[in-house]
Amino acid sequence: DQQVKQNSPSLSVQEGRISILNCDYTNSMFDYFLWYKKYPAEGPTFLISISSIKDKNEDGRFTVFLNKSAKHLSLHIVPSQPGDSAVYFCAASASFGNEKLTFGTGTRLTIIP
Amino acid sequence: NAGVMQNPRHLVRRRGQEARLRCSPMKGHSHVYWYRQLPEEGLKFMVYLQKENIIDESGMPKERFSAEFPKEGPSILRIQQVVRGDSAAYFCASSLSASNQPQHFGDGTRLSIL
Repeated sequence: DQQVKQNSPSLSVQEGRISILNCDYTNSMFDYFLWYKKYPAEGPTFLISISSIKDKNEDGRFTVFLNKSAKHLSLHIVPSQPGDSAVYFCAASASFGNEKLTFGTGTRLTIIP
Repeated sequence: NAGVMQNPRHLVRRRGQEARLRCSPMKGHSHVYWYRQLPEEGLKFMVYLQKENIIDESGMPKERFSAEFPKEGPSILRIQQVVRGDSAAYFCASSLSASNQPQHFGDGTRLSIL
């Protein structure tokens, strides 16, 4: 029962262009969503989050969009840089009494110089 | 990943031995979470602890696995009588509070069972 899905296992983007990573969820109790970036042999690094009371949150080159009716969120990276090449995980949690994160299976982003 | 310290980074055990994984949360964080990542999969929640209390262990196997977060010292994930299927990367995360706060992860312990 995969409650958080990242349907694209991999994505290649030219340096300088926009990278768009997608994530879908099924559990309507989820109200807090996060994106993490992970390099091999390291732990996930927190990038950006969004609460369900918002539909957009921006931090520098990273913007997360949340569409609650579609149960869909996306991460936009613009402009993409070579150092952005990594695996990106979407995660979600429900705030009341259940703080555990449920992760997607990840999307491997490759930025082509 | 500065701040959440996990050790050891790599741990090799033979089947039937015990594995102890340690996690020191970020300074000021009192909420600790353990996750496991199997090859080619996402991270799966195991257990959520606060100081001296297990809050949610719904992701932990019922047998052989235990976790603690004592008043003093690091959080410990203990796996008794390890089997090949326990081979995975085990990640610890901490947060300042439980609600709508990002969890920050350590670099993990890679457990290999011979």
